[in-house]
Amino acid sequence: AQKVTQAQTEISVVEKEDVTLDCVYETRDTTYYLFWYKQPPSGELVFLIRRNSFDEQNEISGRYSWNFQKSTSSFNFTITASQVVDSAVYFCALSEGGTGANNLFFGTGTRLTVIP
Amino acid sequence: DAGITQSPRHKVTETGTPVTLRCHQTENHRYMYWYRQDPGHGLRLIHYSYGVKDTDKGEVSDGYSVSRSKTEDFLLTLESATSSQTSVYFCAISEQPGAAKNIQYFGAGTRLSVL
Repeated sequence: AQKVTQAQTEISVVEKEDVTLDCVYETRDTTYYLFWYKQPPSGELVFLIRRNSFDEQNEISGRYSWNFQKSTSSFNFTITASQVVDSAVYFCALSEGGTGANNLFFGTGTRLTVIP
Repeated sequence: DAGITQSPRHKVTETGTPVTLRCHQTENHRYMYWYRQDPGHGLRLIHYSYGVKDTDKGEVSDGYSVSRSKTEDFLLTLESATSSQTSVYFCAISEQPGAAKNIQYFGAGTRLSVL
């Protein structure tokens, strides 16, 4: 069965610190997709990134970077030089690539608070 | 931003009453989904649709039904609302499974309180 674990329930950092949000997943599929979404205090869900299981290249987008390691079933998210606007709940999610609608299985989220 | 509109945005209702939430999209995407968000659970899939009149159950479908008579509209109905259905409900859309087009984009959510 598929599962996504975000062990960090809440994290607080001071502005400009780096922070890493952990995500560990379980799946039996060889084809799958991993996602990160951001939910700011306003409540909407914002798509950040998708990786497929065949592409372990790390990705950087501005202050955001993602480290995908199949050997440890992890897809961690790092924010460099955090800003107050980064305060949000971050969700990691898994979609299995077999037949069907590729439904998303979410972790329970990590609430990040950036203190000015 | 994906063109997804959820209505109503907020609703308070009483136990035992029927409730219908609407999701409307302007992207002509084939797949539509309903999730609920609860503390400690993240988001969980209720039902999804893979085309007009084609729907299937998700992880937490008990007590919910859905309908999709047009590509752009996906309705979620609570036939007889219970307090355990107090939650935030999100609609999502995606073009198709697999490869490049399986990103799900979410609506703004509907906050439902069942008293």
